[in-house]
Amino acid sequence: DGGITQSPKYLFRKEGQNVTLSCEQNLNHDAMYWYRQDPGQGLRLIYYSQIVNDFQKGDIAEGYSVSREKKESFPLTVTSAQKNPTAFYLCASSTRGLAGNLHNEQFFGPGTRLTVL
Amino acid sequence: AQSVTQLDSQVPVFEEAPVELRCNYSSSVSVYLFWYVQYPNQGLQLLLKYLSGSTLVESINGFEAEFNKSQTSFHLRKPSVHISDTAEYFCAVLGSGSARQLTFGSGTQLTVLP
Repeated sequence: DGGITQSPKYLFRKEGQNVTLSCEQNLNHDAMYWYRQDPGQGLRLIYYSQIVNDFQKGDIAEGYSVSREKKESFPLTVTSAQKNPTAFYLCASSTRGLAGNLHNEQFFGPGTRLTVL
Repeated sequence: AQSVTQLDSQVPVFEEAPVELRCNYSSSVSVYLFWYVQYPNQGLQLLLKYLSGSTLVESINGFEAEFNKSQTSFHLRKPSVHISDTAEYFCAVLGSGSARQLTFGSGTQLTVLP
């Protein structure tokens, strides 16, 4: 079955620790995204990548880092510089569409809930 | 820049009653519009989308939304809701400019009561 997987489902972190959230897709999509979801605030874009070895900052990139070494994988590292990391993190992917336009449907993974203790 | 406003954070409604979830957007360029649904502790699923053509779009489970350019709205409606429709619903807009980020509203929690 094609889809997006995120692991782990729940993650607990002590203050000052870096943690890495996994996102894998087997949909052969070029574009991948990371969102953060907080209650009452909807989804906010952290980073996105349109193609392997390239990624761009979203609206709230501070305190986060990503890599895109493989088409299927787009891991997100939450660093100790992120002041309020407790949130629900969602990964998504989409095709690039014609002329590099990102207008196609984004498919979402099941999410990772990160709690800082 | 673009933005999305979902006017109601919580919408309780009785089973088999009609419902409307409101969404307004602002954008300086033409847009694509989406409604996503999220069940508890799950990712988002696309419910329906407006890209071009007919302004009324429908989903397979009875929801519909109408793109109104003059009122910059994309309200979601269903004539008769079921308990299983209880979820959070997000409106999103994608601008046609070079930035092309998907911007989400803050969400509306629909609770269907027996």
